Amino acid sequence: AQSVAQPEDQVNVAEGNPLTVKCTYSVSGNPYLFWYVQYPNRGLQFLLKYITGDNLVKGSYGFEAEFNKSQTSFHLKKPSALVSDSALYFCAVRDDTGGFKTIFGAGTRLFVKA
Amino acid sequence: DTEVTQTPKHLVMGMTNKKSLKCEQHMGHRAMYWYKQKAKKPPELMFVYSYEKLSINESVPSRFSPECPNSSLLNLHLHALQPEDSALYLCASSQVPSGASTDTQYFGPGTRLTVL
Repeated sequence: AQSVAQPEDQVNVAEGNPLTVKCTYSVSGNPYLFWYVQYPNRGLQFLLKYITGDNLVKGSYGFEAEFNKSQTSFHLKKPSALVSDSALYFCAVRDDTGGFKTIFGAGTRLFVKA
Repeated sequence: DTEVTQTPKHLVMGMTNKKSLKCEQHMGHRAMYWYKQKAKKPPELMFVYSYEKLSINESVPSRFSPECPNSSLLNLHLHALQPEDSALYLCASSQVPSGASTDTQYFGPGTRLTVL
């Protein structure tokens, strides 16, 4: 069975500091991992995904994520946080058994303070 | 263009009303999805259409009735809803109709539904 965990309900960071939003996963096959961001009363926006290859994935708005197979993690990172990065972030996973289902984590709310 | 549009943005309805939510995409995607999202919770999958045919129904109550009239449009017909059905309803689409695991879903802005 597939599952994904976001251990932090909320992350607080000062503007200009690096940020990390954590995600761990469990799948039976090869993992395919996604990060989405959601601003208030909006839909989810795709940030980046890991399929295969380089463990460091670069995405939109300066975000990147590091895939670590041994730790089954896919943490989202940004070198310098902006106040405008404040939003709800979802990690999501599929495995290679196919099908349309995406399993979403519970979400992590990021607050960036000026 | 990676835009999925949804109308209306907000909808308030009584428990005896019939209303419809609409979703449209012009990216040539052949898979379309309906999700329900409660406040501060992740989206929950309701339905998936692939090539205009219903592929997944996640045991959704019959008061929700999806329809996919063509490859660009997806509707969700609502009837006799309950107050607990109040939520943000999200539409999404993806390119690969086989549901390939690597496929990215693109979401619309959602319809905020309130059932009185």
